[in-house]
Amino acid sequence: QTVVTQEPSLTVSPGGTVTLTCSSSTGAVTTSSFANWFQQKPGQPPRPLIYTTSNKHPWTPARFSGSLLGDKAALTLSDVQPEDEADYYCLLYFGASLSVFGGGTKLTVL
Amino acid sequence: QVHLVESGGGVVQPGRSLRLSCAASGFTFSNYAMYWIRQGPGKGLEWVAIMWYDGSDKRYAESVKGRFIISRDNSKNTVYLEMTTLRVEDTAVYYCAKSIGSGRFHYYGVDVWGQGTTVSVS
Repeated sequence: QTVVTQEPSLTVSPGGTVTLTCSSSTGAVTTSSFANWFQQKPGQPPRPLIYTTSNKHPWTPARFSGSLLGDKAALTLSDVQPEDEADYYCLLYFGASLSVFGGGTKLTVL
Repeated sequence: QVHLVESGGGVVQPGRSLRLSCAASGFTFSNYAMYWIRQGPGKGLEWVAIMWYDGSDKRYAESVKGRFIISRDNSKNTVYLEMTTLRVEDTAVYYCAKSIGSGRFHYYGVDVWGQGTTVSVS
């Protein structure tokens, strides 16, 4: 069974920079994994932030960026704001129309 | 404006069945693959199923394969999730979501989510 792994939790100071990563048990994450990133706050559905590794949605703040970092997908938040405190999930594509979510990262802004 | 509205959730006993619906508006429904994604209480997101834009292909997570069936009616702009032989561990908020890419480009990801409907199996 394919497992997608994220850091369970991270803490960042306001104004700081933090990178969340997303790895696959099957091997390196590549552009063919078409990584997506989502932000979720309590009681709300997830909000899409990034698709196909690095593309932003029209509503995605400029301080969010997606990339590949070694063999992982990465989401970098720059100039972190208090409202960025949330859970973040990655989604990877594994072919044959199958995708898997990561376990999520709880980001604390402190 | 693109909109997805789920319905059909509720409380059901283990072993019973339930059918969820997701009504779509604001886009050409028949051009996009649709997903069902769930989130158990206090847990992360779980990809459940996908159905291609034209209904020609569908896939399921191993945890629901053989028990859940995804379908769609493009004339009604609606996608369904028929859930049978429900288990306690199926308890979750069920979201439907729209693929970003049209046609076969479903793998680009997801760009619109509904508000979710809650299923409780007990």
